[in-house]
Amino acid sequence: DQQVKQNSPSLSVQEGRISILNCDYTNSMFDYFLWYKKYPAEGPTFLISISSIKDKNEDGRFTVFLNKSAKHLSLHIVPSQPGDSAVYFCAASSSGGSNYKLTFGKGTLLTVNP
Amino acid sequence: GAVVSQHPSWVICKSGTSVKIECRSLDFQATTMFWYRQFPKQSLMLMATSNEGSKATYEQGVEKDKFLINHASLTLSTLTVTSAHPEDSSFYICSANPFRGRPSYEQYFGPGTRLTVT
Repeated sequence: DQQVKQNSPSLSVQEGRISILNCDYTNSMFDYFLWYKKYPAEGPTFLISISSIKDKNEDGRFTVFLNKSAKHLSLHIVPSQPGDSAVYFCAASSSGGSNYKLTFGKGTLLTVNP
Repeated sequence: GAVVSQHPSWVICKSGTSVKIECRSLDFQATTMFWYRQFPKQSLMLMATSNEGSKATYEQGVEKDKFLINHASLTLSTLTVTSAHPEDSSFYICSANPFRGRPSYEQYFGPGTRLTVT
């Protein structure tokens, strides 16, 4: 039973355009959400996060939107750059759980074409 | 800051042998470290949560006698794959949760270890 779902395994975008990566979750206990970026054979690196008390968080070119009623979040990257090409993982956590464990989606491979 | 290292970065071992993977937080102390494994084109699957000075908490379906975890200090956790078999071949990644005096969602990941069992 996958509690965090990234239904698009891949996304291709032109440089300079907006990239929108989507994530859905099923566990209503999740109250904190994170996006990680991962290059092949490397560990994930943290990008941006959002608490369930907010619906938007922005950091430079990256913005995360949260729709709690739909149990949906999205990551917007604008403008997209070739260096953004990587696998993006959505992760969720519950403050009610122990040790703030993260549950990851399967990831979306973003390719930004020059 | 917040750098996590893993050693080795890749290892090949024969079936039946044991392999130890180290995870170190280089510039911060970590009361909690996590061990994940990732299969090709799959998500990171949490294997266990390791707290300094106490026994690790394993996720359902993970054999604790096969995947031995030791968190001996605030900067080092080790994962030992005992009696390795080809199906244990995978990419193992650790992460560390910085000690800031309060619970945190932050996890900083190591670069991963590619294990191949022949």
